[in-house]
Amino acid sequence: NAGVTQTPKFRILKIGQSMTLQCAQDMNHNYMYWYRQDPGMGLKLIYYSVGAGITDKGEVPNGYNVSRSTTEDFPLRLELAAPSQTSVYFCASSNTVAGELFFGEGSRLTVL
Amino acid sequence: AQKITQTQPGMFVQEKEAVTLDCTYDTSDPSYGLFWYKQPSSGEMIFLIYQGSYDQQNATEGRYSLNFQKARKSANLVISASQLGDSAMYFCAMREGGGSYIPTFGRGTSLIVHP
Repeated sequence: NAGVTQTPKFRILKIGQSMTLQCAQDMNHNYMYWYRQDPGMGLKLIYYSVGAGITDKGEVPNGYNVSRSTTEDFPLRLELAAPSQTSVYFCASSNTVAGELFFGEGSRLTVL
Repeated sequence: AQKITQTQPGMFVQEKEAVTLDCTYDTSDPSYGLFWYKQPSSGEMIFLIYQGSYDQQNATEGRYSLNFQKARKSANLVISASQLGDSAMYFCAMREGGGSYIPTFGRGTSLIVHP
């Protein structure tokens, strides 16, 4: 059971570089989310999607972009990386609008 | 304003004792769900328990129970018979209908279980 798969698990970026965090789920879930976790701050929503072709901003979308061309994939793009984007990123999915979240293992990103 | 408040940054408990982790929430929506997740030191997020706003009884899942007090807007997690493996961060979360059911999280409580 793969569930939600995130890659890469670790990445170091230089300021100004760009990268994409990949997220794929094999549970046919419509609802997918990207969160960032900073120490002592809980999880903050970056972007979310309620189905293929539909995305929307969360609480902290600046500096990020997403796409949802298929039900399975929900990549997060970081453009012009900044030190403030150093964080742990979690992708999650749910099979119903109000159900529990299934999380990936997280991606630790450091911007130097 | 914080939708989910967890006021205990850190908690300590002796092995085999029970512990309560506090969570209060803020919503005016009649339809909402409350969740608890566990994050061990390895980093993954694990769903523990769910309580719906219309549920009459407190949710239970094994050693986990949710003390749901709707009038006080609290949803405390009770862990009975603590084990060393319960040492982790615990997050309370809510999905409210008026907010398109977008999940929002509290800041978490760190639980350390002593032998």
